[in-house]
Parts: sequence; structure tokens; C-alpha cells
Amino acid sequence: GAGVSQSPSNKVTEKGKDVELRCDPISGHTALYWYRQRLGQGLEFLIYFQGNSAPDKSGLPSDRFSAERTGESVSTLTIQRTQQEDSAVYLCASSFSGRPSYEQYFGPGTRLTVT
Amino acid sequence: AQKVTQAQTEISVVEKEDVTLDCVYETRDTTYYLFWYKQPPSGELVFLIRRNSFDEQNEISGRYSWNFQKSTSSFNFTITASQVVDSAVYFCALSETTLNDYKLSFGAGTTVTVRA
Repeated sequence: GAGVSQSPSNKVTEKGKDVELRCDPISGHTALYWYRQRLGQGLEFLIYFQGNSAPDKSGLPSDRFSAERTGESVSTLTIQRTQQEDSAVYLCASSFSGRPSYEQYFGPGTRLTVT
Repeated sequence: AQKVTQAQTEISVVEKEDVTLDCVYETRDTTYYLFWYKQPPSGELVFLIRRNSFDEQNEISGRYSWNFQKSTSSFNFTITASQVVDSAVYFCALSETTLNDYKLSFGAGTTVTVRA
């Protein structure tokens, strides 16, 4: 059984470029989450999808960040005009249902470095 | 305001010692869920336990045990007879229900180093 997968595993980009991060959740999981983890810190919530809808976008740090999900499956997190402070590991998680009683399963993350 | 506080940044122990990780949370919800996750050096978060706010019974799973006390808003985690493989960052997290987003609010994590 496949877990949550993310691609790329590592991304180095120049300041000002756009990047797209991909998440493939566990099959059948309706809820999908994006978090950001800066070096040596805890996880910071970015956005949550229930199906293809994102009822809560409040965690997105700026309008340079956007995310979408299609087919109740794959999700992409796009960062436009990247800045050095965007450097972090971006983690995706999925759960069977968007209810807190279900644990979230995390992917291995995408390490983004903005030079 | 920080909803989950893990006051211990780093803990270093010698193999076979017990280690307790503290977690204090803050919420106004009456229904909420608490979690512990382990993040080994490989980086992938591993789910350890979920506890709902109505179940204060302590739980033991092998060398791991959890102490949930609503009176002090704490959900502490103990590793008994630690092993080198327990070396990781451990995160405590809270999921509230009133906002309907079910996100996890994480503490800053405690880095546990077990020396042989």
C-alpha cells in the first residue's frame, strides 16, 4: 500500500522564480493538508482540502502561495516569485476523512531552497 | 498564541534510561484531539498516538506510554528503557473541532538523542 508521496524531494530555485510542489495522497483519503517546516522548527499549517475544496486558506503566508486539488487526489502547491524566506520543507498529509478523529499520514516532504 | 507548548527543546539520555517529554496545550473546545508524532532523521513524520478529550485513560504501547491530564492541560509522553533508534524529534499536536478545518497545531518539537 502506497503512502503519501511528494515530488520533487528536493528543489533549488533562484529568488523570483515560481515553483510547483506536488502531493499524491493515499488513495481514498478525502482530506489533504499542506504544512511548512522551517529548519529546526515545528510544522506550520498552510491549507486544508476536503475533496477538491479548500475551506480554510488562512494559513497561506501571502498571495504568492496558492494550492489546488483535482479529482479528489493530487494536489499542487505553487509559490510564485519565491523569496529566501520560503526556504523550508513542505509537507503534505492526508487522512481518511476531514475529521480530527482520523490521524494524518505525512509524506516525506519537499525540501525547497531559494538562493 | 501558541496552542501547543513543548518546553523541552532537547533531551539527551544514555541508552536504557527513561525519558519523559512534556506537552501542554491550550484550547477552548470541549472536544479536541491530541497527537504525538515522531520525526526520525529520515524526516518523515510517523504517527504514534491519538487521544480524544473525553478519554483520560493513560495508554501504554510497548515501551511508550502517555499520560493525559485535562486538569493541567497536559499530554506527556514517556519512553521507557530508551534505545538508540528512539533518537528523533517528537512533536505533540492538537486538533480542535470548532473551526471545522481539522488542522493540526504542532508544538515546536523536542529533539531526543539516545547515546549508546
